[in-house]
Amino acid sequence: GNSVTQMEGPVTLSEEAFLTINCTYTATGYPSLFWYVQYPGEGLQLLLKATKADDKGSNKGFEATYRKETTSFHLEKGSVQVSDSAVYFCALPNTDKLIFGTGTRLQVFP
Amino acid sequence: DTEVTQTPKHLVMGMTNKKSLKCEQHMGHRAMYWYKQKAKKPPELMFVYSYEKLSINESVPSRFSPECPNSSLLNLHLHALQPEDSALYLCASSQLAGQQETQYFGPGTRLLVL
Repeated sequence: GNSVTQMEGPVTLSEEAFLTINCTYTATGYPSLFWYVQYPGEGLQLLLKATKADDKGSNKGFEATYRKETTSFHLEKGSVQVSDSAVYFCALPNTDKLIFGTGTRLQVFP
Repeated sequence: DTEVTQTPKHLVMGMTNKKSLKCEQHMGHRAMYWYKQKAKKPPELMFVYSYEKLSINESVPSRFSPECPNSSLLNLHLHALQPEDSALYLCASSQLAGQQETQYFGPGTRLLVL
């Protein structure tokens, strides 16, 4: 079945630093790919998604490109803020359920 | 609007109690889900409902009993839980069930079993 591998955290950055969180996947067919964010004490929020190869999802300054040739969907942001501190999950569907990566905790310091 | 609501926000229950978690969405979505999330772990699927019918049960113990009374509402009935069932319970919904669908999550119910 489909699976996703996500880089381990925590990732610790200073404000305005560049962020990359790596995500690679194994999939049958071409499922949609997702990044979800979980702020402390909250549920999951959809951050961005891509539905086909070479699609770029973007939201709140975050971007990720669906790369079929490298089976990757890395999350990037050019300048992080303290308010971006959260856990980020890469996810893809396997039939009707979402398979999540292990999650990457991002801590941004002023 | 992509809002999924869940009540209660927090729940403490003893091992002999019966309680219910409630989830609601008014987006016209026909698929609804229950996930369980333990601390510092990703969510894990428990149940999927499609068109108000249970379509997936991920071998969840019978002390968890889901119910979908209508297309907007999803309940999770809890009975005789164990302390290891303490977790964040997340509800989600999507337009339909399937690989191209986007799931929208609620804020979760944080459950503590004593």
